[in-house]
Order: sequence, then structure tokens, then C-alpha cells
Amino acid sequence: ETGVTQSPTHLIKTRGQQVTLRCSSQSGHNTVSWYQQALGQGPQFIFQYYREEENGRGNFPPRFSGLQFPNYSSELNVNALELDDSALYLCASSLGGTAFSGNTIYFGEGSWLTVV
Amino acid sequence: GENVEQHPSTLSVQEGDSAVIKCTYSDSASNYFPWYKQELGKRPQLIIDIRSNVGEKKDQRIAVTLNKTAKHFSLHITETQPEDSAVYFCAASIGYKLIFGSGTRLLVRP
Repeated sequence: ETGVTQSPTHLIKTRGQQVTLRCSSQSGHNTVSWYQQALGQGPQFIFQYYREEENGRGNFPPRFSGLQFPNYSSELNVNALELDDSALYLCASSLGGTAFSGNTIYFGEGSWLTVV
Repeated sequence: GENVEQHPSTLSVQEGDSAVIKCTYSDSASNYFPWYKQELGKRPQLIIDIRSNVGEKKDQRIAVTLNKTAKHFSLHITETQPEDSAVYFCAASIGYKLIFGSGTRLLVRP
């Protein structure tokens, strides 16, 4: 058990819709990262939040956005869903800062998103 | 560019044998190298990690080695058991993120 919780665990959306995924960090962790894992592939970095500010972003379009709250929980929002957005979305928390300093990260159970 | 290559993509071993998975990374600034095990339908679970100031780390049947000069790191599993069957991912840190390899599907035959 990592202490990182995500919701919902599974959901189905229609192409063009919007989705919000939620993550609660492990106690004391102030950094949250989101990853997308398509079927048969390794996780890909979407973005990271530290103290409510986005401090790093991967190669994902602007329709992927996020928030981090004062209690360090986080949301991932995806607008205008496409079929290729179907994937496992993983939240990871760590005790870090503006640069990843090799701190261990722990993944939550993930949210399985299917876009039809 | 940012890249982590992982080999082999599939690995089948007899129970009790050893398994070795190898990764190569591209960014010389990478300083953290975790390994994750992912069972079907579940999240990746951290099984061992190594930092750039260490050449080798061992935890029971699992060991990881790091060669910074060659930008190689490897996972070694000894005395494999059927429950070791899963997909294994290596990763390397680049700044604020991890870059993952493409995964190795390990099958341990009873």
C-alpha cells in the first residue's frame, strides 16, 4: 500500500467529452506527477505539480491540464477526449521540489479510462 | 533525445533459473534508476532502485547494477519463482520526470 489513492478506478467516456481524475498524495508528499500508460507500453510523463504550481510538463497537448490543492491532492483534466486517450492514468507522489532529486515515487492504483 | 531502451521485450525462464533485464539510457545527467513490476491490470510497483553514487544494490533475490560510464543498468532476479511472472519496467530520471523503458514480459515456467 503506497498511501496514494486515485478515483475513479474505471470510467468510460465518449469521444469529445471531458474527464476529471483525482489523486490524494501520500501523507507529507508535496509533489504530484501524472503519467499515462497506454496498453502494452511504459508510463509516459504528463506533468508534475509542486506546491500548487506546474513545474514540468511532458509532450502532451494543452487539453491535458491539472491542478494541485493546498492539501497536495491533485486533479488531471482532459478535454475533447480522443480514442487514443484510452489508457491507465497513474498518479505518483513524492517528497520533492522544483527539480526531481531522485526521490522515490509511489504510484497510486490508477484510473482506467476508456474512450468510445 | 530522452530515451531508455530495454531488452529483451520477452523473457521465459525455468523456475529456479536467473533472469536478467538490461536498460540503456541517453541522458548523462540521469541520477536515479528505479525498477517497477507490473502485474496484469495493476499499477507498477517499485521493487528496487539505485542512485548514481552506487554501483550495485541487492535486496534478497533482486539486484540492480549501474554502469554510469556506459549508461547501462540491469536487473537481476535469482532463483526465479512463478510469482515473479509479470512485466518489468526500468526508468531513468531526467530532471523532474522519469523516462520508462518499453517493458519486459517475464514468464517463469514451473
